[in-house]
Amino acid sequence: AQSVTQPDIHITVSEGASLELRCNYSYGATPYLFWYVQSPGQGLQLLLKYFSGDTLVQGIKGFEAEFKRSQSSFNLRKPSVHWSDAAEYFCALTGGGNKLTFGTGTQLKVEL
Amino acid sequence: GAVVSQHPSRVICKSGTSVKIECRSLDFQATTMFWYRQFPKQSLMLMATSNEGSKATYEQGVEKDKFLINHASLTLSTLTVTSAHPEDSSFYICSARTVNTGELFFGEGSRLTVL
Repeated sequence: AQSVTQPDIHITVSEGASLELRCNYSYGATPYLFWYVQSPGQGLQLLLKYFSGDTLVQGIKGFEAEFKRSQSSFNLRKPSVHWSDAAEYFCALTGGGNKLTFGTGTQLKVEL
Repeated sequence: GAVVSQHPSRVICKSGTSVKIECRSLDFQATTMFWYRQFPKQSLMLMATSNEGSKATYEQGVEKDKFLINHASLTLSTLTVTSAHPEDSSFYICSARTVNTGELFFGEGSRLTVL
């Protein structure tokens, strides 16, 4: 069975500070990994994805994530957070089939 | 990027009535669409996979007679919540997979409130 764990339910950072959101996964092979962002009452927007190749993936809005097989992790990072980054962030994986398994999400609050 | 539109974005209905939610891929064709349910402050749970021209595949624990899914064309899938009860109140999100690239795009979600 595949699963995704986001250990941090809430994170608060100051605007301009760096950010790292944690994501750990469980899957028998190399998964396809995703980070999505959801603003209140909205659908999901894809930030970035990892399929294969370079383990450091660049996404939109200045986000990046690093796939670490040894740690079963795919943490999301941003060097300098903007107030508009406040949202819910979801890590997700699929084994290549249709089913996308989501983590429980991390709510990011940005203090001005 | 590709656009997936859901309608209505918000709906309030009385207990016992049925509600239909539409999911449209506006500028691409999607042979496969997915329906998710999201409870407050929780993750998205896949309810069913909708394939154009065939019956939907429901996840374990999801009542297919309760949540009717129809995928009649390459750009439209509908979710009908039949005989709605207050516990059906939730945020329902659809996603569509493009035929050409296989990328997945999400709709804006539909908030259902059953009184």
